[in-house]
Amino acid sequence: GENVEQHPSTLSVQEGDSAVIKCTYSDSASNYFPWYKQELGKGPQLIIDIRSNVGEKKDQRIAVTLNKTAKHFSLHITETQPEDSAVYFCAASKGMDTGRRALTFGSGTRLQVQP
Amino acid sequence: DAGITQSPRHKVTETGTPVTLRCHQTENHRYMYWYRQDPGHGLRLIHYSYGVKDTDKGEVSDGYSVSRSKTEDFLLTLESATSSQTSVYFCAISESRNTEAFFGQGTRLTVV
Repeated sequence: GENVEQHPSTLSVQEGDSAVIKCTYSDSASNYFPWYKQELGKGPQLIIDIRSNVGEKKDQRIAVTLNKTAKHFSLHITETQPEDSAVYFCAASKGMDTGRRALTFGSGTRLQVQP
Repeated sequence: DAGITQSPRHKVTETGTPVTLRCHQTENHRYMYWYRQDPGHGLRLIHYSYGVKDTDKGEVSDGYSVSRSKTEDFLLTLESATSSQTSVYFCAISESRNTEAFFGQGTRLTVV
């Protein structure tokens, strides 16, 4: 099955700096790569996603890049703010002809933005 | 927020007892999932459903069973709870196979 590795496990940055979180996946058939943010005591929430036919996607201060050849994708947060502090998860999945799909998650990155 | 309700939100139970967690959705989404979250492991898939009475195993399904008799409800049962099943359990839903998954607020289960 799919295996997703995520690094680093913890990341501390100063407010205003950029943060980068990296993930690698094992199944070359994976074609959907979402990123989730989880705040304390809450369930994960989607912040951005990318599909395999796209190399980069941006949404304001957040961007995701995908390198299918190397099987890795990254989350970039620019101009970080204290409210960006949370745990971030990458995930991967593949659509199957049977209609079944489930996400495989990385182990998470705890991002702390220092004021 | 997507209409997902997990119950109970917290539960303490004894080893060997059966436990059922409930996930209820009001979005009429086809796909429903149960994940467990443990430190250092992220979210691991237990079971999922792609329609009423259609379920499949995830990567950590041993010791768990599920049922989905209605679109809106997905039940997770621990037949005989063990301490290794102490975890936070999340239900998620998605409309189709290539769209966003929405997560519930989680159920913290402690097996003593």
